[in-house]
Amino acid sequence: DAGITQSPRYKITETGRQVTLMCHQTWSHSYMFWYRQDLGHGLRLIYYSAAADITDKGEVPDGYVVSRSKTENFPLTLESATRSQTSVYFCASRTGVGNEQFFGPGTRLTVL
Amino acid sequence: SQQGEEDPQALSIQEGENATMNCSYKTSINNLQWYRQNSGRGLVHLILIRSNEREKHSGRLRVTLDTSKKSSSLLITASRAADTASYFCATASGSGGATNKLIFGTGTLLAVQP
Repeated sequence: DAGITQSPRYKITETGRQVTLMCHQTWSHSYMFWYRQDLGHGLRLIYYSAAADITDKGEVPDGYVVSRSKTENFPLTLESATRSQTSVYFCASRTGVGNEQFFGPGTRLTVL
Repeated sequence: SQQGEEDPQALSIQEGENATMNCSYKTSINNLQWYRQNSGRGLVHLILIRSNEREKHSGRLRVTLDTSKKSSSLLITASRAADTASYFCATASGSGGATNKLIFGTGTLLAVQP
C-alpha cells in the first residue's frame, strides 16, 4: 500500500544501546522529517532531509544520527540511547512544492 | 523553543456544539497549518492558511489568521464524537530550506461528548 510506514512500532531498549528507527515512504516525496513528541512539548523536529544525501538539523538533534541513501528511506539512529530519549517518534514526508506533511503512525521508544 | 501555543489546553463539549481553539505564535510566518491527532496515531493535516490570507474554510472547519496579533483560530462547527482528538497548530517561517521546517504548538485536547 502507498503511504508512510515506521518500524518498529514499539521498542524497549537499555541505556547505552544503539537503536535505529526506520521510516519508509512510497510517494517519492522529496522531503522527510523526524519528530519526537513528548508531553508538554508538542512535536519537536530532530532532523530533516530535502533529498537523498541531503540532511539538516532541526531543533533537537543531539544524540541522533540520520542518513538518506535512498529517497524512500530515512532511518533515525540513537547512537547511545539515554532515558531522556524515551518518547514517541514520528516520521513525516512532503513533496517539494506542497506544504502539507504526511505523518507515519509513530514509534513508541522506551529507554530503561 | 515552541513557536505556537494553543489555548485552551483541553476542551470538552457536547455533540452538535461548536469548538474553537486558538493558537498564538511568536515570529513572522509564511503559513500556518492545523493538524489533528487521534489517540495513538500520527498527525493528519487539516488546513493551511497563508500569511496573506485572513480566513479559510474546509467543510466544517473555519480558520482565521490575524498576523498583527500573531494568532490563529480553528473553529469546528456542529462537532461530532469522531472529532475527539488533539489539535495542533504549526507554523512555517523563513525562506529557502527554513520554510520546510514546521514548528508545532503543544496542542488542544478536544473531547466531544455524545
